[in-house]
Amino acid sequence: DGGITQSPKYLFRKEGQNVTLSCEQNLNHDAMYWYRQDPGQGLRLIYYSQIVNDFQKGDIAEGYSVSREKKESFPLTVTSAQKNPTAFYLCASSSRTGYAGELFFGEGSRLTVL
Amino acid sequence: KNEVEQSPQNLTAQEGEFITINCSYSVGISALHWLQQHPGGGIVSLFMLSSGKKKHGRLIATINIQEKHSSLHITASHPRDSAVYICAVLPTSGTYKYIFGTGTRLKVLA
Repeated sequence: DGGITQSPKYLFRKEGQNVTLSCEQNLNHDAMYWYRQDPGQGLRLIYYSQIVNDFQKGDIAEGYSVSREKKESFPLTVTSAQKNPTAFYLCASSSRTGYAGELFFGEGSRLTVL
Repeated sequence: KNEVEQSPQNLTAQEGEFITINCSYSVGISALHWLQQHPGGGIVSLFMLSSGKKKHGRLIATINIQEKHSSLHITASHPRDSAVYICAVLPTSGTYKYIFGTGTRLKVLA
């Protein structure tokens, strides 16, 4: 079945460490997104990508980095520069870049900084 | 003021009740999604709307583009409907960035 796979589901990090969250989709979607969700707040966009080898900063990109070397994959690195990284991270993809396409989400990755 | 507002923020209902969740937005849009998030985190898109009304099982979603308003209705609610419901819009402004409401937390009691 088609879908989005995020891993790991839970991740613990010590302060000062970089961690990478994986996002893979087999939906043949062009657009992929990374969101951060904090309690009581709406989803906030970290980065998005419309095509391979291209990505754009979202509203809260500082302290994060991404790559889009393959259409299927959009990994997110949470760097030590991110001051408050403990959060729930969601990856999403959309079938039609910039238009009214279906929107799919992964199961999320919960990052805790110790 | 948020560009996407949902009401109510929290809702508790008895099993079998008819439920309405509202979403108002202030930007021009090409589409609106209703999303469901269960405890544990994963999000599922229930509906994508650009006009009119859609129905799937006990769920009905409507949108009024002129009034910039959408509603999600749940008929004969059940405890398994307990979740957070999120409204998301895709603006026509030329960006590819969805704007999300903060969600409505629904609890249906048996």
